[in-house]
Amino acid sequence: QSVLTQPPSASGTPGQRVTISCSGSSPNIGNNFVFWYQHLPGTAPKLLIFRNNQRPSGVPDRFSGSKSATSASLAISGLRSEDEADYYCASWDDSLSGVIFGGGTKVTVL
Amino acid sequence: QVRLVQSGAGVQKPGASVKVSCKASGYTFTTYDIHWVRQATGQGLEWMGWMNPNNGNTGYAQKFQGRVTMTRDISISTAYMELNNLRPDDTAVYYCAREEYDPSWPGLDWFDPWGQGTLVTVSS
Repeated sequence: QSVLTQPPSASGTPGQRVTISCSGSSPNIGNNFVFWYQHLPGTAPKLLIFRNNQRPSGVPDRFSGSKSATSASLAISGLRSEDEADYYCASWDDSLSGVIFGGGTKVTVL
Repeated sequence: QVRLVQSGAGVQKPGASVKVSCKASGYTFTTYDIHWVRQATGQGLEWMGWMNPNNGNTGYAQKFQGRVTMTRDISISTAYMELNNLRPDDTAVYYCAREEYDPSWPGLDWFDPWGQGTLVTVSS
């Protein structure tokens, strides 16, 4: 089991809004930044959101991140077929002294 | 542009060792920490550890302590990850990633870019 808990799957039709949760605890999300990565099979993971809610240049504003206490979420609005991928949250854990990833959420566009 | 290019795929026998390289270009190699992350087939991303290319300091995930070594060759801007005593469940794609550097923030920052990944297959 991952220290950060994500739902294994999420889905929506084109144009819909999908939200992915990432639940942690004080030593990780509570005390540190949350990052989100998009991972397509056969490719390198791609940074989507940094420092809880910041979007790198080139990432569409359809993607947004938020954090509250020991949980975080990623929202994808205006869902598109190219958004089909695995999404991972990540943070530092002060107790483990290491980086932790959520188990990943597979997003399917119906 | 900033790039990380990894060594090619390989097959190793159980009990053997593998050393994956990660060559950096487009930036000052010693300024940014390098992390290693792997993904076994059908599994999620798993962090293995980090290395500071400037001083060689490292930090490893507890799971890999005693079995992994991260090093670098500054002269060729290349980081290495060596994993020993390989088992079949070490079969995975191994990625290196650069951590952003912000002197005003001592904690973990984002990974970008990532290497293209190196498939290591452990099989007899």
